[in-house]
Amino acid sequence: DADVTQTPRNRITKTGKRIMLECSQTKGHDRMYWYRQDPGLGLRLIYYSFDVKDINKGEISDGYSVSRQAQAKFSLSLESAIPNQTALYFCAIAPSPTGGHTGELFFGEGSRLTVL
Amino acid sequence: AQSVTQPDIHITVSEGASLELRCNYSYGATPYLFWYVQSPGQGLQLLLKYFSGDTLVQGIKGFEAEFKRSQSSFNLRKPSVHWSDAAEYFCAVALNSGGYQKVTFGTGTKLQVIP
Repeated sequence: DADVTQTPRNRITKTGKRIMLECSQTKGHDRMYWYRQDPGLGLRLIYYSFDVKDINKGEISDGYSVSRQAQAKFSLSLESAIPNQTALYFCAIAPSPTGGHTGELFFGEGSRLTVL
Repeated sequence: AQSVTQPDIHITVSEGASLELRCNYSYGATPYLFWYVQSPGQGLQLLLKYFSGDTLVQGIKGFEAEFKRSQSSFNLRKPSVHWSDAAEYFCAVALNSGGYQKVTFGTGTKLQVIP
């Protein structure tokens, strides 16, 4: 089984619809992240969470919300989808830093969202 | 603000040729440095990372990268490219401050490998 599982992998929806992307992990890491990838822009951070009670906005959080339902689950919601939210979305996880080192990110395979 | 620059959007190399992908960062201190690879339809996978110590780091799949503080660079290299290396490569920098791991990604370099 994959360490980080994202569902759905592909979704086409219409403007104004509510969409939820789900992420679950099996590594037991505390830190979970949602990124958005657009061609030529790299990855941009939407939200991140260090534990169930700790949710933080990233650089492009407008139009998105998240929920950390459990240590292993972190979902991303688009309350009213718009076409410029068409993108590839990645969930990533990371261990808490140990010894002052920053841990690497482990990524899911991505969820491709198209908003018509 | 920290930033990462990958000046080459697209690179084409012949199979068996050497490869160097450029990455420059802008930050006052030495950040943690990473290279990730994204194969088509896949998520990102870590190739290698630099935290401190030896400035030449070895990664998976035969890749290596060299940290040059004076040039604020962390270029990725491979002596002989294989067709399976065709993918998109992302440089990333991370700052761990007060328990917050802020990771900034470059815009990526797409590698095409021709026979």
